[in-house]
Amino acid sequence: DAKTTQPPSMDCAEGRAANLPCNHSTISGNEYVYWYRQIHSQGPQYIIHGLKNNETNEMASLIITEDRKSSTLILPHATLRDTAVYYCIVRLMNRDDKIIFGKGTRLHILP
Amino acid sequence: GAVVSQHPSWVICKSGTSVKIECRSLDFQATTMFWYRQFPKQSLMLMATSNEGSKATYEQGVEKDKFLINHASLTLSTLTVTSAHPEDSSFYICSARDFDTDGGGYTFGSGTRLTVV
Repeated sequence: DAKTTQPPSMDCAEGRAANLPCNHSTISGNEYVYWYRQIHSQGPQYIIHGLKNNETNEMASLIITEDRKSSTLILPHATLRDTAVYYCIVRLMNRDDKIIFGKGTRLHILP
Repeated sequence: GAVVSQHPSWVICKSGTSVKIECRSLDFQATTMFWYRQFPKQSLMLMATSNEGSKATYEQGVEKDKFLINHASLTLSTLTVTSAHPEDSSFYICSARDFDTDGGGYTFGSGTRLTVV
């Protein structure tokens, strides 16, 4: 899998949009960008994924640059419950492809 | 949505004993499950890939005789930590993929916190 680079930590005020960046400059054409988050002492939770178009669901939006070398996860109105470690992962959509986690970004939502 | 149940959620055992952790896919079948380990303030580390009806595939550096994996059915994989020692104390997490779930992402269990005393 291609490697990703994320800032180790970020702060965001409650109610504001949280924008989490991820660099994946070595991504190949058929690799997807996935985002997961892990709230303390829980298993990771799937957030969103995309190939090259921007994506939005009930949790977040994913903005992928045109060259696909970076992406941004946007939590539109952050709440205290969004405090977690966010992982950006690049991988193929193969049937049994395993997920390798990087260090992620520890997001602190400030009241 | 897909649910992966992990049991127990926490366990304390004496050094030298063995501990079994179960991972079940509740509403889907999973031919492949994955086992991770996570130490405090660190990321998840993939330990092994559990394959239904065949041997597990272990990541480099993971002792297969110490971490026994059995995937006897399409909905259950077990991880047994044999002859546990304090350094095996960690957060163990399993995951599986439901190909019918929107997103194509993996679903993770809630984790098992193992403490070896």
